[in-house]
Amino acid sequence: QKEVEQNSGPLSVPEGAIASLNCTYSDRGSQSFFWYRQYSGKSPELIMFIYSNGDKEDGRFTAQLNKASQYVSLLIRDSQPSDSATYLCAVRDSPGAGSYQLTFGKGTKLSVIP
Amino acid sequence: NAGVTQTPKFQVLKTGQSMTLQCAQDMNHNSMYWYRQDPGMGLRLIYYSASEGTTDKGEVPNGYNVSRLNKREFSLRLESAAPSQTSVYFCASSEGRSLGEQFFGPGTRLTVL
Repeated sequence: QKEVEQNSGPLSVPEGAIASLNCTYSDRGSQSFFWYRQYSGKSPELIMFIYSNGDKEDGRFTAQLNKASQYVSLLIRDSQPSDSATYLCAVRDSPGAGSYQLTFGKGTKLSVIP
Repeated sequence: NAGVTQTPKFQVLKTGQSMTLQCAQDMNHNSMYWYRQDPGMGLRLIYYSASEGTTDKGEVPNGYNVSRLNKREFSLRLESAAPSQTSVYFCASSEGRSLGEQFFGPGTRLTVL
């Protein structure tokens, strides 16, 4: 059973601070990793993906991947109240599984306090 | 481009009634998925279609059936609705190759009384 673990939160940070969201996964063969943002009552929206060890930056967002530790994180710099949402970590099945399924974590709720 | 669309947005059923949730995508994606999302349970895969003409069970398929009508459309049917099927249902699609990122529709909020 593949597992993706996230701290459910809520994680509260002051406006302008860095928010750090963490995710661990059990399938060592996984190669693609995704972060989705979900506002209350809305559908998940893809904000970042990463597949190589290290950091990937996109605006205020940085995704970090450490395959040896089976750990992926999302940093949000200069957090804004509009970043308040639930963030879902998703991991793609190992190559060869043929199904291109994603396993999702249960999400971390982020609250940015003005 | 509309992306992934779902109908209806809301639905209330009585126990034992049947209904079909519709999903369509205009991104020429090969793979399509149906998820349910419940509080505290996260997104759980019900069924998926890796390509036109194929369907496979996901984590929670019991009580559901699917049809991949063509490359664009993937429907989810509840033959005899139960209160345990009260949930928010999301359809998603992906190219089916490359990184595997999935794009979601707006969801259907279903209540079974």
